[in-house]
Amino acid sequence: EPEVTQTPSHQVTQMGQEVILRCVPISNHLYFYWYRQILGQKVEFLVSFYNNEISEKSEIFDDQFSVERPDGSNFTLKIRSTKLEDSAMYFCASSERGVTSRTTQAFFGQGTRLTVV
Amino acid sequence: GDSVTQMEGPVTLSEEAFLTINCTYTATGYPSLFWYVQYPGEGLQLLLKATKADDKGSNKGFEATYRKETTSFHLEKGSVQVSDSAVYFCALSDRAFNKFYFGSGTKLNVKP
Repeated sequence: EPEVTQTPSHQVTQMGQEVILRCVPISNHLYFYWYRQILGQKVEFLVSFYNNEISEKSEIFDDQFSVERPDGSNFTLKIRSTKLEDSAMYFCASSERGVTSRTTQAFFGQGTRLTVV
Repeated sequence: GDSVTQMEGPVTLSEEAFLTINCTYTATGYPSLFWYVQYPGEGLQLLLKATKADDKGSNKGFEATYRKETTSFHLEKGSVQVSDSAVYFCALSDRAFNKFYFGSGTKLNVKP
């Protein structure tokens, strides 16, 4: 079965450093997403990406965050200057069509646990 | 705004026990409702979904019915197995916005 893969599975970084979280979505999918889950809290939407541009972003997704699809296969989330409160599990997802479609299914990766120290 | 509330965990059951995990939602439109499951060390996997009121989603012995009158989508299974031990997330997708709203997750531990 096709799957979304994320690397690394765990990243530890110092406060103020830049991190790039990587995702390889399913090859024929057109919609890409990042979500995060702070320990003990809800899984929160960060950003959706379609046709090489951001289609929607949440309040969390401020100027410190950016996304990119650099080579047609990877989908990355960059945090420019990490803060302690960025520590969370980050999930990448992809879907063939938008999640508002009755027939679509979003596939999630296994997550990257980011720890900012 | 849209939101999902699900019962706190962890839930610990013996094998073959009956499972209910409660989920209620708030939405301004007509959302689709989902249950996702995360097994240890793996990603979120779609377990089942329902796209309109009174629909019942089912998969692997799990069921959930979209109840508009009570704004609920409770997950049930008649006889759980040790292999069902995982974290279960209730979610909705808003028709107007291309994203999910998730609950906080409920960890299920099934003991032999």
